[in-house]
Amino acid sequence: NAGVMQNPRHLVRRRGQEARLRCSPMKGHSHVYWYRQLPEEGLKFMVYLQKENIIDESGMPKERFSAEFPKEGPSILRIQQVVRGDSAAYFCASSPDSYGYTFGSGTRLTVV
Amino acid sequence: SQQGEEDPQALSIQEGENATMNCSYKTSINNLQWYRQNSGRGLVHLILIRSNEREKHSGRLRVTLDTSKKSSSLLITASRAADTASYFCAPNYGGSQGNLIFGKGTKLSVKP
Repeated sequence: NAGVMQNPRHLVRRRGQEARLRCSPMKGHSHVYWYRQLPEEGLKFMVYLQKENIIDESGMPKERFSAEFPKEGPSILRIQQVVRGDSAAYFCASSPDSYGYTFGSGTRLTVV
Repeated sequence: SQQGEEDPQALSIQEGENATMNCSYKTSINNLQWYRQNSGRGLVHLILIRSNEREKHSGRLRVTLDTSKKSSSLLITASRAADTASYFCAPNYGGSQGNLIFGKGTKLSVKP
């Protein structure tokens, strides 16, 4: 079992471009969570998804951010028209039952 | 806020000493989880303690839970330089609120 796979590990985008972050959960895990971490800060919850459903998006900014977890393929966190303040590490976690989480290694987004 | 609050924010000890970190939370939980994060890396799950458990061990780690005080502690015995990391507690309220909410963590530094 390869664990939670996130790619890319590092992503550089110019202001105004789109960023797409991918997360493949562990095999058998149907719950996916996205978190954002700013330098020297804890993780901030963004969104909780199950296959084809957004369960809780209370941590997502209202504009420019969207997430999906399709029936087939990885979960995608999409950030449109990125700004410098979007620079952060984005972590994905998966769980078989919404209790025990396994985290990926994260995607570090840098907006220049 | 439903996040756990870790205390102290930073802890510096010598190799071989014990390290104790505390966590407080606000409302009833289903379980509480402790995670470690090495600098620049993703979170690693350490221990999950259920609300009906009072103490749990895993190697050099010992976690206690006091639901009457809404608090938990993580003890690392005989610390090593490799234990240097940030440690986070995450209360899990279960159900549709299955997402974990993390505090700012305790930054542990173990000096050789």
